[in-house]
Amino acid sequence: EAAVTQSPRNKVAVTGGKVTLSCNQTNNHNNMYWYRQDTGHGLRLIHYSYGAGSTEKGDIPDGYKASRPSQENFSLILELATPSQTSVYFCASGDRDSPSAETLYFGSGTRLTVL
Amino acid sequence: GEQVEQRPPHLSVREGDSAIIICTYTDSATAYFSWYKQEAGAGLQLLMSVLSNVDRKEEQGLTVLLNKKDKRLSLNLTAAHPGDSAVYFCAVTLNMGYKLTFGTGTSLLVDP
Repeated sequence: EAAVTQSPRNKVAVTGGKVTLSCNQTNNHNNMYWYRQDTGHGLRLIHYSYGAGSTEKGDIPDGYKASRPSQENFSLILELATPSQTSVYFCASGDRDSPSAETLYFGSGTRLTVL
Repeated sequence: GEQVEQRPPHLSVREGDSAIIICTYTDSATAYFSWYKQEAGAGLQLLMSVLSNVDRKEEQGLTVLLNKKDKRLSLNLTAAHPGDSAVYFCAVTLNMGYKLTFGTGTSLLVDP
């Protein structure tokens, strides 16, 4: 079964600090995604990747960087965390059956609080 | 870009009743439609998906209807049970697109 693991599950950071959220997938999927989930907004795409070494900006990339050092790992980096980045972050890997048909497999989420 | 509206944001039904969730989208080039379920404290899991050439799909007590003319997608849980209590999201992808656009979610509560 598809497996996407996120760490940490919970994180408290201070304003201005650096935060790294990690994601590991054992599905051998090429595509990986970072979303944030906020009440009233659903899931919004931050960054995504088509494979090792590639990162692309999603719909709300400002204040975030991403890194895909390998097929399995995809990190989200907040260089200077702000309270507005308090949210629940989800990583997902994608199994693409066709150019438009893709199933996403999600991790359990990381709850980030920036004080 | 693609806009997706989902309603209602909250839905409460009794066990055995049906629950209907509706999404409307804006881009007629939308090609792929999915419904995901999120249980408490967990990530999203795919429930069902359809391509744009499918108007209706039924699986295990779930019915997905696609009305391309009205750009409306619906999920009908027939005979809901307490285990269906969760947050449900629709997600759509443009033709030859590669990013899912999610609705804002519906929190469903099924009372026993």
